[in-house]
Order: sequence, then C-alpha cells, then structure tokens
Amino acid sequence: ETGVTQSPTHLIKTRGQQVTLRCSSQSGHNTVSWYQQALGQGPQFIFQYYREEENGRGNFPPRFSGLQFPNYSSELNVNALELDDSALYLCASSFGYGYTFGSGTRLTVV
Amino acid sequence: AQTVTQSQPEMSVQEAETVTLSCTYDTSENNYYLFWYKQPPSRQMILVIRQEAYKQQNATENRFSVNFQKAAKSFSLKISDSQLGDTAMYFCAFYSGGSNYKLTFGKGTLLTVNP
Repeated sequence: ETGVTQSPTHLIKTRGQQVTLRCSSQSGHNTVSWYQQALGQGPQFIFQYYREEENGRGNFPPRFSGLQFPNYSSELNVNALELDDSALYLCASSFGYGYTFGSGTRLTVV
Repeated sequence: AQTVTQSQPEMSVQEAETVTLSCTYDTSENNYYLFWYKQPPSRQMILVIRQEAYKQQNATENRFSVNFQKAAKSFSLKISDSQLGDTAMYFCAFYSGGSNYKLTFGKGTLLTVNP
C-alpha cells in the first residue's frame, strides 16, 4: 500500500509568480483534496477532485486551481502569488471518509 | 456551516501520566464523523482515532480513547500513559459527507510530554 507523496517539500517564490504543487494518491483512493495550513492554524479546505472533476471548493479565490489525472494524482496551481499564500499545503487522498495525508509542501512567498 | 473549536492552544503532561484534550463542534447534521489527528514536526497528519456519530460507544485505540457527547457536541481525546513520542500538534476534525466533501479542522492543541 503506497502512501501520499507531495513534491516539492519546500520552495520559495516571489510575489506575483505562479507555482505548481504535486501530489500522488494512495492506491485505491479516487478522491484528492488540498488544504492550506497557515502557521499556527488548522488546515483550511481549498478544493477536492473526484474522477478528474472538482466537486467541492472552500473559500479560496479562482487563482487557486487544480487538476486530477487518470491515475488520481493531482496538482495545485496558484497564480499571482501573494505574501499571505505562504503556508504549508497538504494533500490528502481519500475513499469515503478515510483520509491519508502527505507531508505537505512548505511554500514561502517573498 | 460546521465549526470545530479547540479551546486549549497548549498543554503539557508528564511522561506516563494521562491528559485530556478538548474539542467542541457545531453542526445541524445528524450523521457525521469526528477525528483526532496528530501532526508531529514531520508535518504529516496522522489519524489517531475516529468516531462515527451513530455509534454510542466511545472509540478506543490502544492508549487513546474519546469521550463523545453527541447532545453536548463535545469530543475529547484522552491519552493514557503519555509517551515522549506523543509530543505533537493535535487537531480535532469533522466530516459529514453528503454535499459537504471536506474535513473541517479546529486550530489545534500543542501537546508537550515532559520526561
């Protein structure tokens, strides 16, 4: 049974740039969701993908977008980065209410 | 909208002792799931324990147990025989499924186990 792998583990971007974060899905899981965790806070839901379609979205602007691929892996894209986008981005694959999380990508926007 | 509240930002306990972390939630749903996740410095969210709302019996996983009070919307986590490796952030989370496809997390409690 494979876990959830996220890449990269850390990256630094400049305000206004674009970034793509990647996530593999655990074997047998058909749903991927993304969460933003600011320092000292709990994770906040960004969006979820099921069978390559977005089927749920939190309170995040359209510059946060995503993709899910036929193998259920996923990407999170953020355009026009802002300083407040600095956070830990967690990916979770799931089947029903059983979630498996990756170790996250630490994004720093300067 | 569902909300999850953890009122204890930080707690500490001596090794081998027992500690209880508190969590309250608000929802109009009748069927849902509650979770406690552990987040060590490695950053990965690790499931500690899960409770289905339709089950009256409190969930138990080895040294971890919950006190689920559905009417009071309370879901506390008890850690017995605390170990140094239990030091981590602990998050309470809510999931109701249906059209609400997400986990709603509290702000977390930093637990430190002292030797």
